[in-house]
Amino acid sequence: ETGVTQTPRHLVMGMTNKKSLKCEQHLGHNAMYWYKQSAKKPLELMFVYSLEERVENNSVPSRFSPECPNSSHLFLHLHTLQPEDSALYLCASSPGQAANSPLHFGNGTRLTVT
Amino acid sequence: DQQVKQNSPSLSVQEGRISILNCDYTNSMFDYFLWYKKYPAEGPTFLISISSIKDKNEDGRFTVFLNKSAKHLSLHIVPSQPGDSAVYFCAASPLHNQAGTALIFGKGTTLSVSS
Repeated sequence: ETGVTQTPRHLVMGMTNKKSLKCEQHLGHNAMYWYKQSAKKPLELMFVYSLEERVENNSVPSRFSPECPNSSHLFLHLHTLQPEDSALYLCASSPGQAANSPLHFGNGTRLTVT
Repeated sequence: DQQVKQNSPSLSVQEGRISILNCDYTNSMFDYFLWYKKYPAEGPTFLISISSIKDKNEDGRFTVFLNKSAKHLSLHIVPSQPGDSAVYFCAASPLHNQAGTALIFGKGTTLSVSS
């Protein structure tokens, strides 16, 4: 049990589909994040929520839409994705605002766009 | 342009020996550094960190060294164990930034420890 749970673990979707990734943290943390890990690339920050408000959006295409209904849940809504969006999507949380609050990651959702 | 570089994609070490994983950074604003470890089919887990006011931080078998003038840090694992086989990510951030908002990761180094 990592404390950060992501569902589904694997997802295959067509370019016209709409799907959502879910993340839930059981750690009482105040900040939640979406990261993308593509093959042979560093982890890329997509979105940051702190106390349910979006803090940062690193110029992510609008086909990715985050939602943070409360401090324990985070969603990533997907629509009209491209094959190059196939990647491992990782959710993370951290206890507080400081940069030295280590991130706690979930096990990720492996997304394949066909 | 990568701000955090892990130039060795892989490293193989025998059990009981020392593993040294290296990381270089280019941004002089970075003053907090972390190492994460990732097993297949799992998310990264925090391993150890160091702030720029220190040049060494030790936690059991894991020691991180920071050379600010060279913009270089390294993770030493002594003695290495087969269970240490994983991908190791180096990450860096300016300390004054909010958590995660400016955390830059390297591409990772895959460590294989043979028995």
